[in-house]
Amino acid sequence: QVQLQESGPGLVNPSETLSLTCSVSSGSMNNYYWTWIRQPPGKGLEWIGYIYYSGATDYNPFLRSRVSTSLDMSKNQFSLRLTSVTAADTAVYYCARATKAGADILDMWGQGTVVTVTS
Amino acid sequence: SSELTQDPAVSVALGQTVRITCQGDSLRNYYASWFQQKPGQPPIFVFHGEDNRPSGIPDRFSGSRSGNTASLTISGTQAEDEADYYCGTRDSSGSHFRVVFGGGTKLTVL
Repeated sequence: QVQLQESGPGLVNPSETLSLTCSVSSGSMNNYYWTWIRQPPGKGLEWIGYIYYSGATDYNPFLRSRVSTSLDMSKNQFSLRLTSVTAADTAVYYCARATKAGADILDMWGQGTVVTVTS
Repeated sequence: SSELTQDPAVSVALGQTVRITCQGDSLRNYYASWFQQKPGQPPIFVFHGEDNRPSGIPDRFSGSRSGNTASLTISGTQAEDEADYYCGTRDSSGSHFRVVFGGGTKLTVL
């Protein structure tokens, strides 16, 4: 059974960069969309973007100017960078896997990691 | 519009059938995915489209689509089905591809 686990700082200062890594416990990373999603406190889900196993990416247009992702298949990991953070970026950040059939078919999720933007 | 709209809250009596709906223009072109989220837990994928139920999800969960509306139906609702439900789909109406989610429906089992 594949498991995903997010890791990274729980506190980030305003204007700095949020960096998270997702470790994939087993199996190949081929043929999947490796995705980041966040959920602000008490609110719904927001899609941040994905990196496909080929290296192709797509991002939420509202975050595009601040987001980047990377993939290290040798380590079974993928990462998120979000620059110039503000309090509005405080959320639970989830990494997830979407199948080749569609980027919305998010069939595996990590447990999530809380990131708070505060000075 | 490329956004998805869900009723904020729905209730159902134990053992009865409930339909949770999701509306949006993107649903005319793409099927919806459905996710269940219980407090303090990550979402779980429960259905896609009209015939894609992941292994381990009870067969009381089913999906459908009509026009710009997708539905998740739970037949014989159980107490453990009480949760927030989110729909999601693809959107390629703008200049960039994205995935969009509905605002979520809180399901209460009475």
